Amino acid sequence: GDSVTQMEGPVTLSEEAFLTINCTYTATGYPSLFWYVQYPGEGLQLLLKATKADDKGSNKGFEATYRKETTSFHLEKGSVQVSDSAVYFCAPLSNSGYALNFGKGTSLLVTP
Amino acid sequence: NAGVMQNPRHLVRRRGQEARLRCSPMKGHSHVYWYRQLPEEGLKFMVYLQKENIIDESGMPKERFSAEFPKEGPSILRIQQVVRGDSAAYFCASSPLQGNEQYFGPGTRLTVT
Repeated sequence: GDSVTQMEGPVTLSEEAFLTINCTYTATGYPSLFWYVQYPGEGLQLLLKATKADDKGSNKGFEATYRKETTSFHLEKGSVQVSDSAVYFCAPLSNSGYALNFGKGTSLLVTP
Repeated sequence: NAGVMQNPRHLVRRRGQEARLRCSPMKGHSHVYWYRQLPEEGLKFMVYLQKENIIDESGMPKERFSAEFPKEGPSILRIQQVVRGDSAAYFCASSPLQGNEQYFGPGTRLTVT
């Protein structure tokens, strides 16, 4: 079946450091890809998405590019802030066309 | 435009009791999805509903769990005779169309004692 692999956390960075969170997936075809963020005690918020190969999703300084050759959708940010501390989930759309497959999440802690 | 609303936010039940979780989708959204998040895990799909129809319940345990999305009112996820293993965060999401990005509610954190 489909699977999603995210890098293990927790990731601890100093403010203004560069962030990369790796995500690779297995799927049939070319599903839409999403990153969601979960702040402590809250639900998930859509961070960005890409719907076809080579698309780049971006929002709030975060970016991720749909790489079909490597089936990857790595999340990057050039300069993280303390307020970015959260859990980040990579979520390809499953073969069903409606259910999201979630990775286990990567916890990010940004220190001042 | 109000987001997806879920209530209660926290629910404590003793083993054997029933839990009813409610979800009101965003205005204009007719597709509802339920996911469960166990501790230290990602979210797992449970069920997908449209108004008065269960489209896919393949992720839901066969016994004790049921879901509905009536013509009027919120979607309900019902867990009968809860057990400790049901303790988790249950998230509802909605979308305007199938396959679109899904917008999540704040979740209901169920604790079974």
